[in-house]
Amino acid sequence: SQTIHQWPATLVQPVGSPLSLECTVEGTSNPNLYWYRQAAGRGLQLLFYSVGIGQISSEVPQNLSASRPQDRQFILSSKKLLLSDSGFYLCAGGQGVQETQYFGPGTRLLVL
Amino acid sequence: AQSVAQPEDQVNVAEGNPLTVKCTYSVSGNPYLFWYVQYPNRGLQFLLKYITGDNLVKGSYGFEAEFNKSQTSFHLKKPSALVSDSALYFCAVRAPYGNNRLAFGKGNQVVVIP
Repeated sequence: SQTIHQWPATLVQPVGSPLSLECTVEGTSNPNLYWYRQAAGRGLQLLFYSVGIGQISSEVPQNLSASRPQDRQFILSSKKLLLSDSGFYLCAGGQGVQETQYFGPGTRLLVL
Repeated sequence: AQSVAQPEDQVNVAEGNPLTVKCTYSVSGNPYLFWYVQYPNRGLQFLLKYITGDNLVKGSYGFEAEFNKSQTSFHLKKPSALVSDSALYFCAVRAPYGNNRLAFGKGNQVVVIP
């Protein structure tokens, strides 16, 4: 089974600073990969998904971008953070038509 | 577009009593349905899923869910709740075609009272 790794676990950044969150997948190849944001109060919002290297689909236009430079690496970035970017960021991976998405431990981002 | 409704914000249950968390869905075609659990400051953990076959699905930690096509429901159940079952529970649905994007419900907070 696959394992999703995320780091860092917690991040405090000033407004206007850049962001780079990394997600890596262990135990499978050619996974579908997803970035979600969970705001306080629980709902999950899909931000980006990728079906392969260099293939990124954006769900919601915003201050963030994603890249997939390697098969099992998915990066969430921002050039200039906003206060509204604070939240809990989750990476997930799955494979196949009947895939189950498995989630990483998440990164708590606080923008001050 | 697919969607999920989890009508109750919070479910309180006494330890040892049956636990039910409700979920109804909307999707075109036969649904793929999922339940996840989230503990504080942790990622979502997969509990169980329905793809096809038997309407009663058994999953991790003694949980089960019943797919009811006529009522478009997929309620999560556990015969005897534990204090450690206190967590946030998410129902999710996707269509069997197109991309694999999941639609999540808003989540239900379950509180098991000792």
